[in-house]
Amino acid sequence: DIQMTQSPSSLSASVGDRVTITCRASQSIGSYLNWYQQKVGKAPKNLIYDASSLQSGVPSRFRGSGSGTDFTLTISSLQPEDFATYYCQQSYSTPRTFGQGTKVEIK
Amino acid sequence: QVQLQESGPGLVKPSQTLSLTCTVSGGSISSGTYYWSWIRQSAGTGLDYIGRIYTTGTTNYSPSLKSRVTISLDTSKNQFSLKLSSVTAADTAMYYCARENVVVTTHRVFSYFDSWGQGTLVTVSS
Repeated sequence: DIQMTQSPSSLSASVGDRVTITCRASQSIGSYLNWYQQKVGKAPKNLIYDASSLQSGVPSRFRGSGSGTDFTLTISSLQPEDFATYYCQQSYSTPRTFGQGTKVEIK
Repeated sequence: QVQLQESGPGLVKPSQTLSLTCTVSGGSISSGTYYWSWIRQSAGTGLDYIGRIYTTGTTNYSPSLKSRVTISLDTSKNQFSLKLSSVTAADTAMYYCARENVVVTTHRVFSYFDSWGQGTLVTVSS
């Protein structure tokens, strides 16, 4: 199985801050990397697919980048509705695997 | 817009079989290039992939659960199902069904989970 490791596990930030979350794969996965946002009590929601493609309806302050083993999700200006847990997921091979999550909390 | 809804018992006894169904509305489970998947999440932890089924009936399972898992498709009801046998307390989790959208372009094929059910909590306890 491909292991996905996110950092940090949690972070505290203020509204308007720039936030960066990193995801590292245990082997090269090209650009087969997706990002999801999960709010408390809700199912995950796809934000970014194929490493850098913004899902329809997702605000442009979300940006995905990277390829190979190292990927980044950046929120350019954190908004109140962005406080949630974020997961990366590889679609390079089965079984699909997720990172352990990064919880973004209010500072 | 497609919608997914999980259903099934919320309480299962240890050693018994967990059975869940996902009903798909707003689209046919037989059409398109989609994998129909199950993912679970234990309290306070991350997302754990269980497996998937394609419209042809082809399945893929997580190696860690493969000996206990069966995913099946019922196209007449537009549903797919999960069976997990010999459950223990470690199988207590929120179970999600999800659609994995397979995108075919000129140069590449990639996928992502584009639709999810709301999740159903299953507790394993006597």
